[in-house]
Amino acid sequence: QKEVEQNSGPLSVPEGAIASLNCTYSDRGSQSFFWYRQYSGKSPELIMFIYSNGDKEDGRFTAQLNKASQYVSLLIRDSQPSDSATYLCAVSKGAQKLVFGQGTRLTINP
Amino acid sequence: KAGVTQTPRYLIKTRGQQVTLSCSPISGHRSVSWYQQTPGQGLQFLFEYFSETQRNKGNFPGRFSGRQFSNSRSEMNVSTLELGDSALYLCASSLWTTGSGNTIYFGEGSWLTVV
Repeated sequence: QKEVEQNSGPLSVPEGAIASLNCTYSDRGSQSFFWYRQYSGKSPELIMFIYSNGDKEDGRFTAQLNKASQYVSLLIRDSQPSDSATYLCAVSKGAQKLVFGQGTRLTINP
Repeated sequence: KAGVTQTPRYLIKTRGQQVTLSCSPISGHRSVSWYQQTPGQGLQFLFEYFSETQRNKGNFPGRFSGRQFSNSRSEMNVSTLELGDSALYLCASSLWTTGSGNTIYFGEGSWLTVV
């Protein structure tokens, strides 16, 4: 079992809809969770981090964390074609050590 | 505020050669880490430095090494290059070494091709 698992997709969502990206992790002691967006040929860009159970909202993005279920998700509201990218879920294993999932490729269809 | 700067951005090396990649963290950031990204293995942690000391190391062979200088700039070196070392090498920096919410920012990466 991989330490961080994501559905690799591709996930196709119509423009204006809500895109839901999911991630599960195996280490129950994990504390901090990150979502990065990566466009093709570019480096990962931090979208959000979350470390408390519940929801955290930032603009069109909402991160949800459920430590009991070892589950973290990212919702993108009012999806735009510019949101088409690979979304990487990462779990912190120390100060600068992140363990990443394989990423979910998201396509927003106009 | 400048982001994480990596040089060179693109390079091609021959098997058996060595390569050195450089990274300048965001101003004020003292923690630097390196990651390798390949299509097959995804993003994998290489090592982490703080105050010129390696604090953590990933599961990579000893051919991969790094160091951090007193100005927080970092270099990583790969010796005896193999074809499988072809990858995007990413440097990341952050402000703290511990605690929740330690946000980590990536540079644009160095694309290494080994032929």
